[in-house]
Amino acid sequence: DAKTTQPTSMDCAEGRAANLPCNHSTISGNEYVYWYRQIHSQGPQYIIHGLKNNETNEMASLIITEDRKSSTLILPHATLRDTAVYYCIVNNAGNMLTFGGGTRLMVKP
Amino acid sequence: GAVVSQHPSWVICKSGTSVKIECRSLDFQATTMFWYRQFPKQSLMLMATSNEGSKATYEQGVEKDKFLINHASLTLSTLTVTSAHPEDSSFYICSAPGGLTDTQYFGPGTRLTVL
Repeated sequence: DAKTTQPTSMDCAEGRAANLPCNHSTISGNEYVYWYRQIHSQGPQYIIHGLKNNETNEMASLIITEDRKSSTLILPHATLRDTAVYYCIVNNAGNMLTFGGGTRLMVKP
Repeated sequence: GAVVSQHPSWVICKSGTSVKIECRSLDFQATTMFWYRQFPKQSLMLMATSNEGSKATYEQGVEKDKFLINHASLTLSTLTVTSAHPEDSSFYICSAPGGLTDTQYFGPGTRLTVL
């Protein structure tokens, strides 16, 4: 599995966009970029994933660089309920996921 | 999206007893499910891969005789912690691949406390 590098923590003001970066320079051609988040004492929640193209859903947008070596998860209007640990994971579809330390996002009023 | 449930959500047991945790895929079938555990302030660690109709595969350092996994149907995998001890106290989480692109969906987790 390709490894990922994320900042340990980030702060964001409520109502502003939260941009969470992830580096995955060793990603292989058939590996997806997945984003999950974990709110305290809950199971990880799927947010979004992509292969090459940028993706958007009701929760977030995923921007993947052309060389696929990095990506950014964008929460367009962060709320206090978005405070969580965000995990960027690269893997083939269907495989088990290897979790790193993630980014602890703190949304502040 | 696909839904995965776990039961129970929390359990407290005495040292030496066994505890069974269920993981169900509610609206899809899963020939493979994954079991993780998470200790406080740590990330999720994969314990084992549950395979429907065959033996589970365990990660290095996970005792297969202590953590019994049964994947009896396409929607149910169970993890039994046998002869539980306080050091087994943890947050146990399962996942299953679902949807058009086999995205992993996680259960809500089961918090096990062994006294």
